[in-house]
Amino acid sequence: GDSVTQMEGPVTLSEEAFLTINCTYTATGYPSLFWYVQYPGEGLQLLLKATKADDKGSNKGFEATYRKETTSFHLEKGSVQVSDSAVYFCALRSKTSYDKVIFGPGTSLSVIP
Amino acid sequence: DSGVTQTPKHLITATGQRVTLRCSPRSGDLSVYWYQQSLDQGLQFLIQYYNGEERAKGNILERFSAQQFPDLHSELNLSSLELGDSALYFCASSVDLTSGLYNEQFFGPGTRLTVL
Repeated sequence: GDSVTQMEGPVTLSEEAFLTINCTYTATGYPSLFWYVQYPGEGLQLLLKATKADDKGSNKGFEATYRKETTSFHLEKGSVQVSDSAVYFCALRSKTSYDKVIFGPGTSLSVIP
Repeated sequence: DSGVTQTPKHLITATGQRVTLRCSPRSGDLSVYWYQQSLDQGLQFLIQYYNGEERAKGNILERFSAQQFPDLHSELNLSSLELGDSALYFCASSVDLTSGLYNEQFFGPGTRLTVL
């Protein structure tokens, strides 16, 4: 079945450091890919999405490119801030998963001043 | 604010009891999804309803059930509760199943269930 794998956390970075969170997926066909963020004590919010190969999703300085050849959707940010501290979930949605969203395990990010 | 509301925010109950969690989707959203988030299992999809009908089932226990009402709000019923059912339960909604792949899901703030 469809699945999403993310790099293990927790990740701790200093403010203004470069962030990469790796995400790879297994799916039949052409899924849509998402990054969701969960701030402490809150629900999930969509951060960015990409719906076809080579699409780049971007929001709030974060970017991810849909790479079909490597089945990846890595999240990057050039300069993280303390306010970026949260848990990040990579996710996919495909027809073979009956339109439900399949989430990765989440990667916890802590940014220290 | 996502526009999805969930009540109650917190629920503390005892083993063997039954509880009902409520979710109101965003205005106009026809699909409602329920998820369970726990430390050991991560975020698990439980069940989806679309316009009042069950659409997809995930890792939902037989002790759990859900329904979506004509006004599109949904309830998740958890019965014969066990300690391991303690978790954060999220509801999410999205616009329309037919264009579903591109529609993001909007999440509510969750209900934290503690079973003692």
